[in-house]
Amino acid sequence: AQSVTQPDIHITVSEGASLELRCNYSYGATPYLFWYVQSPGQGLQLLLKYFSGDTLVQGIKGFEAEFKRSQSSFNLRKPSVHWSDAAEYFCAVGGDNNDMRFGAGTRLTVKP
Amino acid sequence: DTGVSQDPRHKITKRGQNVTFRCDPISEHNRLYWYRQTLGQGPEFLTYFQNEAQLEKSRLLSDRFSAERPKGSFSTLEIQRTEQGDSAMYLCASSPVYSGQETQYFGPGTRLLVL
Repeated sequence: AQSVTQPDIHITVSEGASLELRCNYSYGATPYLFWYVQSPGQGLQLLLKYFSGDTLVQGIKGFEAEFKRSQSSFNLRKPSVHWSDAAEYFCAVGGDNNDMRFGAGTRLTVKP
Repeated sequence: DTGVSQDPRHKITKRGQNVTFRCDPISEHNRLYWYRQTLGQGPEFLTYFQNEAQLEKSRLLSDRFSAERPKGSFSTLEIQRTEQGDSAMYLCASSPVYSGQETQYFGPGTRLLVL
């Protein structure tokens, strides 16, 4: 079965600085990869997804992620963070069986 | 598109009581999923339906848990004889069926506290 590791439990960045959140996955075949964001007390909102094709995918709110098969990674990036980006970010991997596995999440704090 | 809705948003109950949660998926979505999320963790898969058929259940879903989707539209998740360890956020998601893995869209969740 597939699994996801998010190595960073908590990250703090200054507003306007760049951001990279790490995600490593384990899956025997071509994975389906997702990044979701969750604000306190809320459900999950999809930021972006990778199914196939171009390995650099663009998402909402200025986020992008790059699929690197050789590194089994799908890191999330944003060039300039806004205070409203403070939230919990979850990477997830799905397989052909429609079963999705989430990482434990990375909490982002944005300093003014 | 009204999104996935869940009711209630919050539930406080005493240990040993039964609780039931409802999920209304996006109207054209055939698949419906239930997840549990505890504090500081990502969502954990519980079960999913394609139309009214329950196709997969996680080992996390003990015999005190039952889920139904009788008409292939809304779904209910019932927990019998609740325990303090059941305290969590219960998330519902839905997705369309085209082929293979599809994007799941999540509701706001029901936060359960068992006293």
